[in-house]
Amino acid sequence: NAGVTQTPKFRVLKTGQSMTLLCAQDMNHEYMYWYRQDPGMGLRLIHYSVGEGTTAKGEVPDGYNVSRLKKQNFLLGLESAAPSQTSVYFCASIPNRSGGLNEQFFGPGTRLTVL
Amino acid sequence: AQSVTQPDIHITVSEGASLELRCNYSYGATPYLFWYVQSPGQGLQLLLKYFSGDTLVQGIKGFEAEFKRSQSSFNLRKPSVHWSDAAEYFCAVAITDSWGKFQFGAGTQVVVTP
Repeated sequence: NAGVTQTPKFRVLKTGQSMTLLCAQDMNHEYMYWYRQDPGMGLRLIHYSVGEGTTAKGEVPDGYNVSRLKKQNFLLGLESAAPSQTSVYFCASIPNRSGGLNEQFFGPGTRLTVL
Repeated sequence: AQSVTQPDIHITVSEGASLELRCNYSYGATPYLFWYVQSPGQGLQLLLKYFSGDTLVQGIKGFEAEFKRSQSSFNLRKPSVHWSDAAEYFCAVAITDSWGKFQFGAGTQVVVTP
């Protein structure tokens, strides 16, 4: 199993450009998350999904959109990138609700720079 | 509102010395608590977790953590640090009243000196 993978690993955008980050997991997990990590602020939740076809807002959703058309994929979109969106983006997943809470499995991250 | 506080932004420790990282949480119900480690350029890896039961939990890489309800704390410890323990450490709480959400602390950067 590859676990949680993220594409791309690095990206540089100009202000106003758009892009999509792809998160894929091969563990049949129900729940998936997108976080951003900024120095001194830990991980902040952008959006999450509790199943195929569902999405919900997290702590810092503005400027981002997401889609979960397939269970294994969770896409994060930036329609008009801004310098404030320069960050490292992490995707994570957990199996499901049954059996109590589980650890989150994290992808390796995507480093995004917006000029 | 729920919150997780890691009071120490940066800790320097000598190799072989003991390490303790602090984590305080603010949460109304019984918390589900986690410690993660992030090596440079990597994603986060789970060290240990506490759901209920014994308040001293053992994790991977020789780490342990103690849950103290009276102090709202979940501190991480290691008796003897190795150079490979240099990393950033995150405490997290699962927000069970809003299913699927986790709240992370700001992280503690650990530097290990020879």
